[in-house]
Amino acid sequence: GENVEQHPSTLSVQEGDSAVIKCTYSDSASNYFPWYKQELGKRPQLIIDIRSNVGEKKDQRIAVTLNKTAKHFSLHITETQPEDSAVYFCAALHVTSGTYKYIFGTGTRLKVLA
Amino acid sequence: SQTIHQWPATLVQPVGSPLSLECTVEGTSNPNLYWYRQAAGRGLQLLFYSVGIGQISSEVPQNLSASRPQDRQFILSSKKLLLSDSGFYLCAWTFQSRGYTFGSGTRLTVV
Repeated sequence: GENVEQHPSTLSVQEGDSAVIKCTYSDSASNYFPWYKQELGKRPQLIIDIRSNVGEKKDQRIAVTLNKTAKHFSLHITETQPEDSAVYFCAALHVTSGTYKYIFGTGTRLKVLA
Repeated sequence: SQTIHQWPATLVQPVGSPLSLECTVEGTSNPNLYWYRQAAGRGLQLLFYSVGIGQISSEVPQNLSASRPQDRQFILSSKKLLLSDSGFYLCAWTFQSRGYTFGSGTRLTVV
């Protein structure tokens, strides 16, 4: 079946440093890639997304890049802050017979050390 | 605007007891609806999804079932809970190729 690999599983950075999380997907037909942030005990929330017709998208301190040829996409967080500490999930849209499903990566636990 | 409601927020149930979790979506029609489970410290496991009333697809054979009696209502059920059913249950909706919006989740502890 289709899958998304996500690395690393845990990431510790000093406050103010950058963090990068990488994902690889298998479905070459995927054309939409959202990223979710999940704080402890809460629901995952969409923080940024990218469609296959662009290579990069930025929103303040976060950015996502996409390489469709290599089937890679990455989340970049600059100037990290303690409130960025959370679990981050990447996902790839998988469409079969008109049904929309998201295949999730296994998550990255980001710790920003003050 | 669209909103998703999920309840209850927490639930402690004995082994062998029944379960019913409910999710409703407001402000949209014919959404795709999903149930996910998340074990402690783990990823998101898709349990069921539905593209319309009465249409349920199961991703993982298990002790649970789902139903969609109305367009914007999605119910997760079990006749007899197992210890392994403990986890954080999340309902989600989407429409076409937009990202999921998740409900606030139900933390189920089976004792």
